[in-house]
Formats: sequence, C-alpha cells, structure tokens
Amino acid sequence: AQTVTQSQPEMSVQEAETVTLSCTYDTSESDYYLFWYKQPPSRQMILVIRQEAYKQQNATENRFSVNFQKAAKSFSLKISDSQLGDAAMYFCAYLEEYGNKLVFGAGTILRVKS
Amino acid sequence: DTGVSQDPRHKITKRGQNVTFRCDPISEHNRLYWYRQTLGQGPEFLTYFQNEAQLEKSRLLSDRFSAERPKGSFSTLEIQRTEQGDSAMYLCASSFISSVVAEQYFGPGTRLTVT
Repeated sequence: AQTVTQSQPEMSVQEAETVTLSCTYDTSESDYYLFWYKQPPSRQMILVIRQEAYKQQNATENRFSVNFQKAAKSFSLKISDSQLGDAAMYFCAYLEEYGNKLVFGAGTILRVKS
Repeated sequence: DTGVSQDPRHKITKRGQNVTFRCDPISEHNRLYWYRQTLGQGPEFLTYFQNEAQLEKSRLLSDRFSAERPKGSFSTLEIQRTEQGDSAMYLCASSFISSVVAEQYFGPGTRLTVT
C-alpha cells in the first residue's frame, strides 16, 4: 500500500521569507499524482498545487512551487514571500493514476510570524 | 459554483445514538468521496461513489457505517450506535472524471463529538 510521510510536524517562517515543507512517499507505481493541500483553521481543504509523475518539470503556482524527485520519492513544497494567510496545516497527498482515493500524510503546521 | 457543502457543521451526540450527515457535491461532479480526519492526522479514505453506485469501501467503514447517494446527487453518511472512537471530522469531496486527473474538491466537514 502507498504511504505518505511528512517528517515535520510544525514549521515556522518569518513573513516575506521562504519556507520548504518536506514530503516523501512510497509506491511501486510509475504513474501517479502528488498534491499539496492547505487546511486553514476553518478546516476547509484547498488544493495548492499538483504534480503529475510523468512530468519532469516541477509545478509552480504563483508563490508556491514543488521540488519533485521521482527517484528519491520526494515531493517538497516551497512557499516564497510567505504571507500571514499562508498559516495553515499543509498536507501532502498521493493519488494513483486512475485511482480514486487520496492517501494523505499526517500534515505540517505552518506558522507565519509577522 | 457554490462548492461542496456539508450539513451539519458540528454534531454532538451521546454514545449509542445514530447520526446522519449530508454532503452536497459541486453540481456537475459525478464522483463523491467520504474521508475521516482525527485530530492532528491527515484524512483517511472511507468510501466513494460514482454517480449513485458505491464503488469502494475502506476497511475503516465498519458495519455501523452506511453511505448512500440516491440519484447520484447528494450523499448521506450514517453512523449507527456511535462510539467515542467515532469522534472525528468527516470530510466530503467531489470530482469530475475527465481526461485530466480528477482533482478532489473538499467541503468544510462535519465535526462529530461523541460523549
């Protein structure tokens, strides 16, 4: 079974600085998708960014970018120019190609200091 | 597009009571998912529907749990004879199967507290 590991229970970043959240996963599949979700204190999960495993180019969405290392099964999220609104729980998630269920890591709490 | 909605947002019940939650997906989405999230953990998959058919159930979904999606629109999740271990956030998500990966859009969740 696929597993997702987030080894950082909590991270802090100064406003306007850059922070990187780590995620590793385990799978025997070659085609799959990886996601970062943000869950603010109101608890509605929001998709931040996704990466298709067949794509070598790292995904980027405005201030959010990923470092996808397929061989190492690593998928980190970089947040640039951190803002107070970025404070939330961040979940890394895996989805098989043609799969139906997301497999989530335990999450990383991100605190942003002003 | 009003997003995925869930009702109620909070539910407090006594052990042994039955509870039912409702999820309304995004209108054009044909897949609907239920997840459970305990405090400090990531969501865990419970079950999913494609239209009105329930196609997969997790082993987490004991026989006290039942989910339905009549007419392929809204879905209900019922828990019978609730136990304290059922206390969690129950999340619903929906997606539309197309040529690209079916991204799941989540609702705000129903927080269940069993006393």
